[in-house]
Amino acid sequence: AQKITQTQPGMFVQEKEAVTLDCTYDTSDQSYGLFWYKQPSSGEMIFLIYQGSYDEQNATEGRYSLNFQKARKSANLVISASQLGDSAMYFCAMREGGDAGNMLTFGGGTRLMVKP
Amino acid sequence: NAGVTQTPKFRVLKTGQSMTLLCAQDMNHEYMYWYRQDPGMGLRLIHYSVGEGTTAKGEVPDGYNVSRLKKQNFLLGLESAAPSQTSVYFCASSYSTVGYGYTFGSGTRLTVV
Repeated sequence: AQKITQTQPGMFVQEKEAVTLDCTYDTSDQSYGLFWYKQPSSGEMIFLIYQGSYDEQNATEGRYSLNFQKARKSANLVISASQLGDSAMYFCAMREGGDAGNMLTFGGGTRLMVKP
Repeated sequence: NAGVTQTPKFRVLKTGQSMTLLCAQDMNHEYMYWYRQDPGMGLRLIHYSVGEGTTAKGEVPDGYNVSRLKKQNFLLGLESAAPSQTSVYFCASSYSTVGYGYTFGSGTRLTVV
């Protein structure tokens, strides 16, 4: 079974509008971390936001927020006031405490395109 | 600047040739990882290391070997390159706790012809 599922291969959003990128995850661990990374066309992986499994508040970082619904096992990324520079691939990832190497498992990604 | 450095950034190999990708980090991280990213896809784990002298297989280890003789370096080797290994390779390092994310290198674009 997929540990991280991103069901939106591609999305368009109008500049200055908000957009939600979906992510669901599967784990039996109690301790885990959820991450979102941005990959622009230049190829580097840029960390955006982190949510711990025990965090009761949704994480926020500037225009990014994470809508964490633990019972539904979802960790959607919300980008407010989209900018042209937000056009990129976005990856959701999870790090589980039970794994020997605590490795990040990535979803397949969502390509976001911001329209002027 | 502190971070993860990958060399080389680009490489073209002929089928059957060998090469080594070098990853170096200066943050004293215990854990290091090698991933590959194929076009339009997410990252898949090749091998990882939880400390100097230790390595383990990830999701897609076939055709690759690794070594971590020093804490700061993690080498990825291709003994006999195949066209299926054409990909972008990312190295990353991290502390061991789940609440800590990775620091990624800038990637190596490898083409096997």
